[in-house]
Amino acid sequence: QLVLTQSPSASASLGASVKLTCTLSSGHSSYAIAWHQQQPEKGPRYLMKLNSDGSHTKGDGIPDRFSGSSSGAERYLTISSLQSEDEADYYCQTWAAGIHIFGGGTRLTVL
Amino acid sequence: QLQLQESGPGLVKPSETLSFTCAVSGGSISSSSYFWGWIRQPPGKGLEWIGAINYSGRTSYNPSLKSRVTISVDTSNNQFSLKLSSVTAADTAVYYCARHFSYVLRGNTYAGHLDFWGQGTQVTVSS
Repeated sequence: QLVLTQSPSASASLGASVKLTCTLSSGHSSYAIAWHQQQPEKGPRYLMKLNSDGSHTKGDGIPDRFSGSSSGAERYLTISSLQSEDEADYYCQTWAAGIHIFGGGTRLTVL
Repeated sequence: QLQLQESGPGLVKPSETLSFTCAVSGGSISSSSYFWGWIRQPPGKGLEWIGAINYSGRTSYNPSLKSRVTISVDTSNNQFSLKLSSVTAADTAVYYCARHFSYVLRGNTYAGHLDFWGQGTQVTVSS
């Protein structure tokens, strides 16, 4: 069964970097994912599509501070030079034959 | 610039049918490059994908909701719609429309990653 696992929470200091993880279930390590950001009281925003080889395609206007990488079944979102507006929920999403699932989301707190 | 604008009923009673429309502006719903989808988010919870449709009417649905969901497309008005039947309080959520990038696999076209979201519309199911 295709499942995405995310840690419920993460925190990092203003100006620092943070690496969020999304883990694909066993047997699905070749799957691409997408990362989405949801700031408080707002709708989600597409950040990037991330392939298994680490190549990624970012959405329009997404700052260079956001980058993606992959290792095996893990998909990462790294945010550098953290700003207060990066405090948000981050969701990963994947798909198979047109059926889509989301991870449970990671709430990022900027200290 | 692409815009997606949801409209919905706000409040419905249990057992009724929820109906939503997503108006697409700044882009054509008839593009073969995209599917058009619906996602919801119950209060304080994560995102749940409901389903998607492309310009030709090809659909895919979340298996857990499939029996109650119908998604349709209206290319002449550049919009698409969602109907969810037999609602209960568990269907209370913010409902988002969004755009999927399309991909082809073994001759079939599928909805790929979401690359643009609407702002969402809140719906409460209550008697």
